[in-house]
Amino acid sequence: QSVLTQPPSASGAPGQSVTISCSGSSSNIGTNTVNWYQQLPGTAPKLLISGNDQRASGVPGRFSGSKSGTSASLAISGLHSEDEADYFCGTWDDSLSVFYVFGTGTKVTVL
Amino acid sequence: QLVQSGAEVKKPGASVTVSCKASGYTFTSFGINWVRQAPGQGLEWMGWMSANNGNINYAQKFLDRVTMTTDTSTATAFMELRSLRSDDTAVYYCVRGSSFDSWGQGTRVTVSP
Repeated sequence: QSVLTQPPSASGAPGQSVTISCSGSSSNIGTNTVNWYQQLPGTAPKLLISGNDQRASGVPGRFSGSKSGTSASLAISGLHSEDEADYFCGTWDDSLSVFYVFGTGTKVTVL
Repeated sequence: QLVQSGAEVKKPGASVTVSCKASGYTFTSFGINWVRQAPGQGLEWMGWMSANNGNINYAQKFLDRVTMTTDTSTATAFMELRSLRSDDTAVYYCVRGSSFDSWGQGTRVTVSP
């Protein structure tokens, strides 16, 4: 039921960079700002990035977000082992059936 | 901080109510979203309720089965899901506000005969 598409997986060695894409449409990403959430294994998701590119309190500077048109991206520069987690994008949707939509999720593996 | 009620096991057709007690902020200044995650799956938004004026938006998928309420005297939000099915087995989260900036620890609901 996710209307935002993400790659199922991404990986990199410690110190390398990874970028995760989030593809939507004019009714969601094209109109509204995007959040990114990190979910460590066995825990609740936590807000990572809000308003397309604003790091939440306490989030390291190696995480950055951007948006262009109907797509958004999350970049992690200089991977740490503790970054191994699931990452979800999310945004409001202007359709009538659902008001907030999440991405399909991307599992980041640190090799 | 949002602290949720404990795990539940229900039979198909039953109802479940999950509570979410807020602390550390003015409860009526933010709405509460409810989000669920089925085992091994992604996140699904169920709805949102204002803790200030009672405005509610439900995802169309849950319109006929869900009720969200708040008790401002105890700073607690509630989500009731009725006519439970096996595919309602999931972890249910309450989440603060339009920025989704604070998440409860989750409540596991298992629906099994």
